[in-house]
Amino acid sequence: KNEVEQSPQNLTAQEGEFITINCSYSVGISALHWLQQHPGGGIVSLFMLSSGKKKHGRLIATINIQEKHSSLHITASHPRDSAVYICAAPGDGGSQGNLIFGKGTKLSVKP
Amino acid sequence: EPEVTQTPSHQVTQMGQEVILRCVPISNHLYFYWYRQILGQKVEFLVSFYNNEISEKSEIFDDQFSVERPDGSNFTLKIRSTKLEDSAMYFCASSVGYSDTQYFGPGTRLTVL
Repeated sequence: KNEVEQSPQNLTAQEGEFITINCSYSVGISALHWLQQHPGGGIVSLFMLSSGKKKHGRLIATINIQEKHSSLHITASHPRDSAVYICAAPGDGGSQGNLIFGKGTKLSVKP
Repeated sequence: EPEVTQTPSHQVTQMGQEVILRCVPISNHLYFYWYRQILGQKVEFLVSFYNNEISEKSEIFDDQFSVERPDGSNFTLKIRSTKLEDSAMYFCASSVGYSDTQYFGPGTRLTVL
């Protein structure tokens, strides 16, 4: 069964800073998910990636399959980026349904 | 933009009572999921559903839980006899295909007294 670890657990940044959140997993996977959980509790899927890098606006996600590691970067951070960022990996490596979630990184961006 | 909806937003029930949480997935999606998040803890997978049957389920999804797609639009999670530890936020999600992005609903907060 996959184990998903995230770091840091909490992150405070000043507006404009470059943010990096890390995720590591123990079992080889077909794809990894990055999600954002808003202060109100809602969850939004940001990325699903199986190799290399994906970019959406100021968000960039990278994955290194060999090292079982992924990073989420936020460029030019803004207070509205404040949320919990969660990575999730398939529980048994292949299945996309049985996702194992990390504990999340709580990001607070100060103006 | 299509979205997953869930009702009710908050459900309060007495221990031992049955509850049904409802979800309307995005209309052209074929895979449906339930997750839960106990306050302050990480999100946990409960069950996935495809073609009118359960695809996968976690250890949490015991005989007290069941899922159903009673018609062409709703996807429900039933807890037969609620326990205090069932208090959590329950999220429904759906995806087009098995390996596609999952879209989450806003969640139902279940409080068991």
